[in-house]
Amino acid sequence: GAVVSQHPSRVICKSGTSVKIECRSLDFQATTMFWYRQFPKQSLMLMATSNEGSKATYEQGVEKDKFLINHASLTLSTLTVTSAHPEDSSFYICSAGGPMNTEAFFGQGTRLTVV
Amino acid sequence: EDQVTQSPEALRLQEGESSSLNCSYTVSGLRGLFWYRQDPGKGPEFLFTLYSAGEEKEKERLKATLTKKESFLHITAPKPEDSATYLCAVQARAAGNKLTFGGGTRVLVKP
Repeated sequence: GAVVSQHPSRVICKSGTSVKIECRSLDFQATTMFWYRQFPKQSLMLMATSNEGSKATYEQGVEKDKFLINHASLTLSTLTVTSAHPEDSSFYICSAGGPMNTEAFFGQGTRLTVV
Repeated sequence: EDQVTQSPEALRLQEGESSSLNCSYTVSGLRGLFWYRQDPGKGPEFLFTLYSAGEEKEKERLKATLTKKESFLHITAPKPEDSATYLCAVQARAAGNKLTFGGGTRVLVKP
């Protein structure tokens, strides 16, 4: 299957700072990528849809100014958590559609801890 | 609104004890139903996509089936390495590549 690479896998930051997470599709082009958040023992909650060359579409309840998404190329989307607070600590996962346009492949996830 | 419900939430099995996981769904025009495996601290790993009722797919000890209202993931003679959370998700025709996930089933296989 297609490969989606997410970086970093773990990050610890101080409260009030910003953190950037990268999601790359390594062997295919993805016009659309998705960002999810997952709390312990819970399923994936879609945060936003990242569209190459245009603004991201955010799910209800997700703060656009806090979770900045940039999809600058067909292989890279970034999620920046701005002014992070302890309640932003979570597992963030990205996905990209595969070449068949009906599949979805996931990155390895990023464990964010805000102290 | 698309909805996915998985049961049971957790399943403890002895090695070799076959069982089935359920995924009930409602979706406006199903494009595909996906099964993923997720290990702790990792992203979901793709297992199967099912597109139409009656379809079945197999991979090693796993077999996925689909009806118009639900999907089953059968685990035959599981091994401890099958321990993971299994996630079901649906994709609606009008939703592009967007997936709606169920809550998952945590499977623990004891030797």
